[in-house]
Amino acid sequence: AQTVTQSQPEMSVQEAETVTLSCTYDTSESDYYLFWYKQPPSRQMILVIRQEAYKQQNATENRFSVNFQKAAKSFSLKISDSQLGDAAMYFCAYRSSGSRLTFGEGTQLTVNP
Amino acid sequence: KAGVTQTPRYLIKTRGQQVTLSCSPISGHRSVSWYQQTPGQGLQFLFEYFSETQRNKGNFPGRFSGRQFSNSRSEMNVSTLELGDSALYLCASSSETGGRRIRNSPLHFGNGTRLTVT
Repeated sequence: AQTVTQSQPEMSVQEAETVTLSCTYDTSESDYYLFWYKQPPSRQMILVIRQEAYKQQNATENRFSVNFQKAAKSFSLKISDSQLGDAAMYFCAYRSSGSRLTFGEGTQLTVNP
Repeated sequence: KAGVTQTPRYLIKTRGQQVTLSCSPISGHRSVSWYQQTPGQGLQFLFEYFSETQRNKGNFPGRFSGRQFSNSRSEMNVSTLELGDSALYLCASSSETGGRRIRNSPLHFGNGTRLTVT
């Protein structure tokens, strides 16, 4: 069974600074996708960024980028120029087939003004 | 385009009762999946429906069931409620088509239904 681990229950960052959230996963499959979702107090899960396992290039979406290390099964999220609106719970998720996502425990990110 | 709509937003039920939650996916999305979110267990997959058929099921007791209608709307039902069923129930839809090939279609989540069992 696939597992996803986020070892940082809480992180904080100063506004305009950069922060990196860690995620590791365990799988025996070779074809899969990885995602980062954020969940603000509104409760809605919002897709931040996604990475296809067969792509070597790290995904980037504006201020958000990932460091995907397939051999190490690591998938960290870097947020540059942090904004107050980035404060939320961040979940790393794994998906191999269908719509079944396996989520990590989450990292609560606080952005300090 | 309207997002995923879940109703109701909040529910309070008594132990032993049953409850039905509703989810309307984004127009054109045929895949609907359900997740349970609790502080202790985190986010756990319940089941997934595609074209009215259950395609995948998580590790939950038979008290948890679901269905999907021809318009892709989905309902989940929990019978004989227990205190431990108190949770946020999230529904997600995606535009992926059927078949075994992995699709990169992201899941779009609703705001969830907060169920409290007393």
